[in-house]
Amino acid sequence: ELKVEQNPLFLSMQEGKNYTIYCNYSTTSDRLYWYRQDPGKSLESLFVLLSNGAVKQEGRLMASLDTKARLSTLHITAAVHDLSATYFCAVAPFNTGTASKLTFGTGTRLQVTL
Amino acid sequence: DTGVSQNPRHKITKRGQNVTFRCDPISEHNRLYWYRQTLGQGPEFLTYFQNEAQLEKSRLLSDRFSAERPKGSFSTLEIQRTEQGDSAMYLCASSFLSVVGSYEQYFGPGTRLTVT
Repeated sequence: ELKVEQNPLFLSMQEGKNYTIYCNYSTTSDRLYWYRQDPGKSLESLFVLLSNGAVKQEGRLMASLDTKARLSTLHITAAVHDLSATYFCAVAPFNTGTASKLTFGTGTRLQVTL
Repeated sequence: DTGVSQNPRHKITKRGQNVTFRCDPISEHNRLYWYRQTLGQGPEFLTYFQNEAQLEKSRLLSDRFSAERPKGSFSTLEIQRTEQGDSAMYLCASSFLSVVGSYEQYFGPGTRLTVT
């Protein structure tokens, strides 16, 4: 059974600081997604990582994937208050050939303080 | 609006009642997924459809739950004889199945169910 773990579960950081959220998964996968969720809202897609070594950046967020280590990271650079939200990684089973269900991590609640 | 839509957005029901939720996917998307999210947790997979065919159901989907996608367009999720443990946010997502692609799932706003 595929399991996905995120660390930390809660992160309080000051504006302007850098930090990294880690996502570990238990079985081989070649497709990993990062989502953002604001309180009471649905999930917003941030990144789709499809291969080993994939790196994507959008604004102050950068995501990477190491399929050999079964690890993805979401790096936050010079945090701003607007980044406060819960971030989820989600993993699809390996080589299913087609889109299938996602297994989500427990989420990392990020709070950026002024 | 071309995103995934869900109705109702909120539903309060008494234990033992039946409820039905609706999801309208992005029009060209042929895959549709249902997830459930409880407070402080990540979404958990319930079931998914490719066109009108239901391809997989989670063991979380007890006999009280049923989902349909007639004609491969909108989908409904029905919960019979609701229990307090059914209280959660029910999320619908859709994606486009193609030979190449990210199969990115786009989520709707969710239906929040409260069982009293």
